[in-house]
Amino acid sequence: DADVTQTPRNRITKTGKRIMLECSQTKGHDRMYWYRQDPGLGLRLIYYSFDVKDINKGEISDGYSVSRQAQAKFSLSLESAIPNQTALYFCATSDGGTIEAFFGQGTRLTVV
Amino acid sequence: QKEVEQNSGPLSVPEGAIASLNCTYSDRGSQSFFWYRQYSGKSPELIMSIYSNGDKEDGRFTAQLNKASQYVSLLIRDSQPSDSATYLCAVNMGEYGNKLVFGAGTILRVKS
Repeated sequence: DADVTQTPRNRITKTGKRIMLECSQTKGHDRMYWYRQDPGLGLRLIYYSFDVKDINKGEISDGYSVSRQAQAKFSLSLESAIPNQTALYFCATSDGGTIEAFFGQGTRLTVV
Repeated sequence: QKEVEQNSGPLSVPEGAIASLNCTYSDRGSQSFFWYRQYSGKSPELIMSIYSNGDKEDGRFTAQLNKASQYVSLLIRDSQPSDSATYLCAVNMGEYGNKLVFGAGTILRVKS
């Protein structure tokens, strides 16, 4: 089983719909991150969290929200999806020492 | 200026040659630097981390860091076709080193 698991792996949704992407980890890491990846733009940070009570905006947080339900779970929500949120989304975790990040398998989201 | 910059490539090298990938970053206070490899449609995989100036070697990979020049590089010796992928440079930034920021990546193609 993967150490960092994202669900769903693929999702097609309509403009205006609310959608939640979920991430869970068994690595015991305290830090969790959500990134989106678009061709030619690399990975851009949406939100990050250092523990259950700590949530921080990244560089592209507009249109997104997150919830850290437990140390092992970090969810990303699109309150009202729009087509330019079509992208590949990755969840990642790291510990506070090495800060080496480990990624989930990714969620390919298409907003039509 | 982007926080982490990489040449997008593609960088083409013949099999058996040395591939040299470069990255510059904007935050002079950054302390942690990483190289990730990403195959098409897959999640990024950590291949090297470096925290102090100089060289760090791991098998065919060598990471080089020069904090004064705000420059980090990755050398891949004896390049193989299986090394063909996108290589992402990542740097910890922010007041407490709490943001992991990625470059857009360099596409490497190793020709047999």
